[in-house]
Amino acid sequence: EPEVTQTPSHQVTQMGQEVILRCVPISNHLYFYWYRQILGQKVEFLVSFYNNEISEKSEIFDDQFSVERPDGSNFTLKIRSTKLEDSAMYFCASSADRGFYEQYFGPGTRLTVT
Amino acid sequence: RKEVEQDPGPFNVPEGATVAFNCTYSNSASQSFFWYRQDCRKEPKLLMSVYSSGNEDGRFTAQLNRASQYISLLIRDSKLSDSATYLCVVTGTGGGADGLTFGKGTHLIIQP
Repeated sequence: EPEVTQTPSHQVTQMGQEVILRCVPISNHLYFYWYRQILGQKVEFLVSFYNNEISEKSEIFDDQFSVERPDGSNFTLKIRSTKLEDSAMYFCASSADRGFYEQYFGPGTRLTVT
Repeated sequence: RKEVEQDPGPFNVPEGATVAFNCTYSNSASQSFFWYRQDCRKEPKLLMSVYSSGNEDGRFTAQLNRASQYISLLIRDSKLSDSATYLCVVTGTGGGADGLTFGKGTHLIIQP
């Protein structure tokens, strides 16, 4: 069964450093998403991406965040200058079509900012 | 972004019992509804979509009440492996590539 993959599984970084989280969505999917989950809290939407541009973003997704699809398979989330409060699990998801369709999640990257 | 409310539990239920939980959503324009399950420190996994007519998948039955803006999930003949957090999820108006809005989840513990 096709699945979303993410690397690395755990990333430790120092405050102020840049991090790039990587995702490989399901191959025939067209819509890509990033979510985060701070420990003990609910899953929160960050951004959606379609046709090489951002479709929707939440208020969390400020100027320190950016997304990119650098090639035909990878989808990345960059955090430019990490803060302690960026420590969370970051999930990538993909779907075959827009909002009505099921989204499938990758296993996540645990980001720890020290 | 509007909210999705769930009873956090935990629901402690003996194996073989039937358990039901609900959630309410505040955005009346929400178009799509789902139940996901999440095991500890894992990703959300899609359990089932929820349709207006109600739908069943094996031991799981989901219902949607648009007038009251609530969604329910019924689990029959519960198994130990059903122990997880169940996330109620809605999308927005469906006008674009909407992100999902998650509830905080209902924690279910099935006891032997």
